[in-house]
Amino acid sequence: DGGITQSPKYLFRKEGQNVTLSCEQNLNHDAMYWYRQDPGQGLRLIYYSQIVNDFQKGDIAEGYSVSREKKESFPLTVTSAQKNPTAFYLCASSIRGLGSASNYGYTFGSGTRLTVV
Amino acid sequence: DAKTTQPPSMDCAEGRAANLPCNHSTISGNEYVYWYRQIHSQGPQYIIHGLKNNETNEMASLIITEDRKSSTLILPHATLRDTAVYYCIVRLPIYNQGGKLIFGQGTELSVKP
Repeated sequence: DGGITQSPKYLFRKEGQNVTLSCEQNLNHDAMYWYRQDPGQGLRLIYYSQIVNDFQKGDIAEGYSVSREKKESFPLTVTSAQKNPTAFYLCASSIRGLGSASNYGYTFGSGTRLTVV
Repeated sequence: DAKTTQPPSMDCAEGRAANLPCNHSTISGNEYVYWYRQIHSQGPQYIIHGLKNNETNEMASLIITEDRKSSTLILPHATLRDTAVYYCIVRLPIYNQGGKLIFGQGTELSVKP
């Protein structure tokens, strides 16, 4: 079955450490996204990538970094510069629209819950 | 900078229709309305989307007002498994921040026996 796989499901990090969250998709989607969700809140965009070897900052990119070396993979690194990293992280992918207004639904992964201890 | 407003919570009796309202008075002409739902600690699940016309699929119907300033998601026969947080979302065009989804606070729907 096609889908998005995020790992690990739960992650604990000590203060001052960098951690990397994995996101892999086998849907052949061009675009991939990372969102962050805090308790009782909607999702906020961290980074997105529309094509391999290219990515752009979202609304809350400070303290995060990404890479897109393969179409299937879009790992997110939470660096020690991120002052409040405890949150639920969601990866998503979508078909990149062919026209300027084309829109296709996102497929989300099941998320990684990161806790700083 | 949420573009949508929704009631924070709603109840619905099992087997009845659940009508979830959403206001998006500042939506632009090429921005779509999407609905997702999220069960605790899982990834959001796509339900339906639309631009101007009403839409229906196997899960739900979406009614969009003619002026596009509001919409209603209808779950025709709610079951206990429909208990979740429902997000009404504006999606930007793909050339604008990669087609970012702009989330609001969502409506927590409780379906009761």
